[in-house]
Amino acid sequence: DAKTTQPPSMDCAEGRAANLPCNHSTISGNEYVYWYRQIHSQGPQYIIHGLKNNETNEMASLIITEDRKSSTLILPHATLRDTAVYYCIVRVPRGVNNFNKFYFGSGTKLNVKP
Amino acid sequence: DAGVTQSPTHLIKTRGQQVTLRCSPKSGHDTVSWYQQALGQGPQFIFQYYEEEERQRGNFPDRFSGHQFPNYSSELNVNALLLGDSALYLCASSLRLNEKLFFGSGTQLSVL
Repeated sequence: DAKTTQPPSMDCAEGRAANLPCNHSTISGNEYVYWYRQIHSQGPQYIIHGLKNNETNEMASLIITEDRKSSTLILPHATLRDTAVYYCIVRVPRGVNNFNKFYFGSGTKLNVKP
Repeated sequence: DAGVTQSPTHLIKTRGQQVTLRCSPKSGHDTVSWYQQALGQGPQFIFQYYEEEERQRGNFPDRFSGHQFPNYSSELNVNALLLGDSALYLCASSLRLNEKLFFGSGTQLSVL
């Protein structure tokens, strides 16, 4: 059911920007892209989401290509505490009951190194 | 403000037994979703409860059932446990019309 493709792992030096790519070539026009992360032994944590425009919050930036077939999550200054599995998710549009549903892929394991 | 709480944190059962996992949603949230996460995999959607009714269901057998109580808390029940049911079970809460899911830390179930 997952509609996204991510590299299984990436390395990043502490203090540098981490750029995590995601491919969602079959995304529909009304489907949002969400990013969550999961630190070992914890539940997933919301990071950011977007539809068409680039988004930024206190945690990260989300860049979505114009054709919406791919996106990049940017952590501007990665720290050791950012080591986690990052999930790119396409949220299936609400059905007649107006409830959201999320399909997770296998994610990208980001290793931030000193 | 307490977040999503789940109990127990760890559980060991044997094949064929039944198990009940519990979840209290974040304060103010009315919708609870359950996910199963096998080792090394992403979470897989089991089902979602709102107003004490199951509203959506993923591709899981009827051995998996749930309940939501008037105070919005929820239970996940699994009957006739199989070895393959060993996983981290995550509960997530949200407001019906809000986009964000808030997850608990999960219950680690081991079936021997």
